[in-house]
Amino acid sequence: GQQLNQSPQSMFIQEGEDVSMNCTSSSIFNTWLWYKQDPGEGPVLLIALYKAGELTSNGRLTAQFGITRKDSFLNISASIPSDVGIYFCAGRNQAGTALIFGKGTTLSVSS
Amino acid sequence: DGGITQSPKYLFRKEGQNVTLSCEQNLNHDAMYWYRQDPGQGLRLIYYSQIVNDFQKGDIAEGYSVSREKKESFPLTVTSAQKNPTAFYLCASSTLTGGSYNEQFFGPGTRLTVL
Repeated sequence: GQQLNQSPQSMFIQEGEDVSMNCTSSSIFNTWLWYKQDPGEGPVLLIALYKAGELTSNGRLTAQFGITRKDSFLNISASIPSDVGIYFCAGRNQAGTALIFGKGTTLSVSS
Repeated sequence: DGGITQSPKYLFRKEGQNVTLSCEQNLNHDAMYWYRQDPGQGLRLIYYSQIVNDFQKGDIAEGYSVSREKKESFPLTVTSAQKNPTAFYLCASSTLTGGSYNEQFFGPGTRLTVL
């Protein structure tokens, strides 16, 4: 099936740094979602985006629905140790009904 | 509290045995899903269901079976035909709008280890 390209695959940063990750698709999407998964737990929905150009924040997290509708970005400001985990993007394109997931970005934060 | 429950959290089975993983939701969601997660592989869809008594194969359905006898429940059976069953299994649910699946909410997962 169709896949999303999520990058980077992993990141190692210092506490306090800002983080940016993104997802791209080959087709136009009408929904973008960002999830975080803590080790050994299920993913938790962080931000949902429904319109091209939409910029939504959730605390220190900010996500954007790309203008081309083929990409989305997630930024984390002033990272802290509890930001550690795997971040997944997911989206739904115009043709399909099911969500498509990226392979995840693993974030490590050192204090 | 509304949510999705999966049980057990950890499950050990001998090779060649079938095993059933439980998933229950009280969110009144129409759609339910099963994913398999392996290190570095992301989430791979096994089966999904839009409505009671109906379900569809996902990308990696071979060696698995499901049932949807009740709206709240979507158990997954890992059969002996599954060649590499050791993995982390995630159940999710969502509402449906006009036939399209909305944002999914996940359970806490079951880690299956086959010895």
